Amino acid sequence: KNEVEQSPQNLTAQEGEFITINCSYSVGISALHWLQQHPGGGIVSLFMLSSGKKKHGRLIATINIQEKHSSLHITASHPRDSAVYICAVAGVVGTASKLTFGTGTRLQVTL
Amino acid sequence: DVKVTQSSRYLVKRTGEKVFLECVQDMDHENMFWYRQDPGLGLRLIYFSYDVKMKEKGDIPEGYSVSREKKERFSLILESASTNQTSMYLCASTWRGRANEQFFGPGTRLTVL
Repeated sequence: KNEVEQSPQNLTAQEGEFITINCSYSVGISALHWLQQHPGGGIVSLFMLSSGKKKHGRLIATINIQEKHSSLHITASHPRDSAVYICAVAGVVGTASKLTFGTGTRLQVTL
Repeated sequence: DVKVTQSSRYLVKRTGEKVFLECVQDMDHENMFWYRQDPGLGLRLIYFSYDVKMKEKGDIPEGYSVSREKKERFSLILESASTNQTSMYLCASTWRGRANEQFFGPGTRLTVL
C-alpha cells in the first residue's frame, strides 16, 4: 500500500463544475503539498499546508491531521484547469524537505 | 522569481552510454533533489543534496550517481544507461528545513535505446 493515496485517478468534468480531489496518507507529516503538472512536464506548487484550510482564487485546499486526509477543491472549473494534480507529504524526520508523492489525479475539463 | 533550469528537455541515448543531466537554480537554495517520474508510479526520489558536496540516497539510487560541486548546480549521472532508465527526470530545489515549498525544473525526458 502506498504511503500517499489519491482519488480519483482520472476525472472528467464539464466547465463550471465543482471538483474535489482527495488525498489520504499513512505517515506522520510536517506538511502536505498540492502540486499541478500541465502537459509538457512542468510542476508548480499550488499549496503547502499543515493545518486547516487555504484558498487561492478558485482553488481551496483543506487538511484534517487527525484523519490524515486532505482535499483539493476547484470551484467553477475551466478547461485551463486540465492538468495532473499531485499530492505530496513532507516527513517529520530528517533535515531536508523530502517528499513522498501520490500518483496524481488526471483532470480533464471540457466545454 | 525562482528559476530552476535543466540542461535538456529531450534526450536520446544508447544503452551503455554515460549520461549527464544538469540542474541549476538561482535562488541560493540549500536543498536540491533529483526525481524520476513514471506512469502509475508518480515521482520517486533518486538522490538529494542538502549542501555543497553533500548527498544522500533517495528511494531508488541504483544505477545513478550525483555531483554537487557548487551550490547552484546539481548533476545526475547515469554511469551506463539502460533501457529501464527511460523516464522523465525532474530536478527541484528548496530552502533548508522540513516544510518548504519545492521549486521544480521543466523536466528532461530521457529515452535510452
